[in-house]
Amino acid sequence: NAGVTQTPKFQVLKTGQSMTLQCAQDMNHNSMYWYRQDPGMGLRLIYYSASEGTTDKGEVPNGYNVSRLNKREFSLRLESAAPSQTSVYFCASSEFGVATNEKLFFGSGTQLSVL
Amino acid sequence: GEDVEQSLFLSVREGDSSVINCTYTDSSSTYLYWYKQEPGAGLQLLTYIFSNMDMKQDQRLTVLLNKKDKHLSLRIADTQTGDSAIYFCAESRASGGSYIPTFGRGTSLIVHP
Repeated sequence: NAGVTQTPKFQVLKTGQSMTLQCAQDMNHNSMYWYRQDPGMGLRLIYYSASEGTTDKGEVPNGYNVSRLNKREFSLRLESAAPSQTSVYFCASSEFGVATNEKLFFGSGTQLSVL
Repeated sequence: GEDVEQSLFLSVREGDSSVINCTYTDSSSTYLYWYKQEPGAGLQLLTYIFSNMDMKQDQRLTVLLNKKDKHLSLRIADTQTGDSAIYFCAESRASGGSYIPTFGRGTSLIVHP
């Protein structure tokens, strides 16, 4: 029972480098989300994908891009990393999508440090 | 100010009850959720309550909802050291026909012997 799988678990980048965080779910869920978690700030939504083929901005989208590659996979890209993007990133999915109030299933997170 | 508000810390003695409080803003939220995050892990859904309910009980957990005051609480009876974690309150906020999960900052529950 894999659920939501994120890779990598840890990453250190230099300012200006780019990288892609990968996320895959095996629950046939329609919606997928990317959140960042900063100390004392809770979780803030970066982008979400209500269904395959659609993506929308969340609360803090600047500096990020996403791709819903297929129903299973939703990647987050940092084109030019900045120290302010040092955070723990969580991918999540939900079954029926954002048209209903659905509970989320989370991955175990990616800890990213930008020096 | 914050949209979903929680106190940041709660410390209790093992065996006592813990009460974690939350206030939210979107009266259209149909469901309200409590998630638990253990160290180094992602969030896991602990329980949820439908907005037309006042109370939901699930073993040691009791959720109370005061819709008039937009106040949600989570009570953990007979708190154990394994309950030490961060607890997040969340609402599904209506946004352009979608419902976007919105989280509070989380309450760190510390259980000491």
